[in-house]
Amino acid sequence: GQQLNQSPQSMFIQEGEDVSMNCTSSSIFNTWLWYKQDPGEGPVLLIALYKAGELTSNGRLTAQFGITRKDSFLNISASIPSDVGIYFCAGQLTNNNDMRFGAGTRLTVKP
Amino acid sequence: DTGVSQDPRHKITKRGQNVTFRCDPISEHNRLYWYRQTLGQGPEFLTYFQNEAQLEKSRLLSDRFSAERPKGSFSTLEIQRTEQGDSAMYLCASSHYSGRPPYEQYFGPGTRLTVT
Repeated sequence: GQQLNQSPQSMFIQEGEDVSMNCTSSSIFNTWLWYKQDPGEGPVLLIALYKAGELTSNGRLTAQFGITRKDSFLNISASIPSDVGIYFCAGQLTNNNDMRFGAGTRLTVKP
Repeated sequence: DTGVSQDPRHKITKRGQNVTFRCDPISEHNRLYWYRQTLGQGPEFLTYFQNEAQLEKSRLLSDRFSAERPKGSFSTLEIQRTEQGDSAMYLCASSHYSGRPPYEQYFGPGTRLTVT
């Protein structure tokens, strides 16, 4: 089963708004990753984080690796319609081994 | 680089039949992973290979499931005597492991299995 608690489960926002979602775990992870998945497709990697406290940006996306190593958040600024999809957080216990995923945050952007 | 590919994209089978899926990883990647994803959930780890060696298997991988990567390139996942509970998206991912970052896994488009 899922080891990561991801929230919120879903979000409905207007185009242009900023979005924030987060992921928490009872376990420590050495790596946090954020993926986006469109219907019927595989997850696409957005951002990877390797150090506690690390803050990384990829365009309008910003993610942080929590200082306790048990949480991470993802922010999307100035949302656009193509941001629609399901966002998953994932943690790796050991480097480059299996990942544990959250249940996802479903984002809907209204034009 | 064409990315991770999976075949078939969709498979409908009757309960009790065997099915086999194929995954071709990104060419220079030495690690290959299989995940299963059910509706409304994130992917769940099944197994992974480094080159041709299967290094870890999840408890989700029952005796009816077997995976191979005979030459360290493509991999196959076989499900024997399929059950309705096997209906899911089966995802393959690959990565290049060198002992230091980056550790990112890149996913294929998945094979959606429906067992009737």
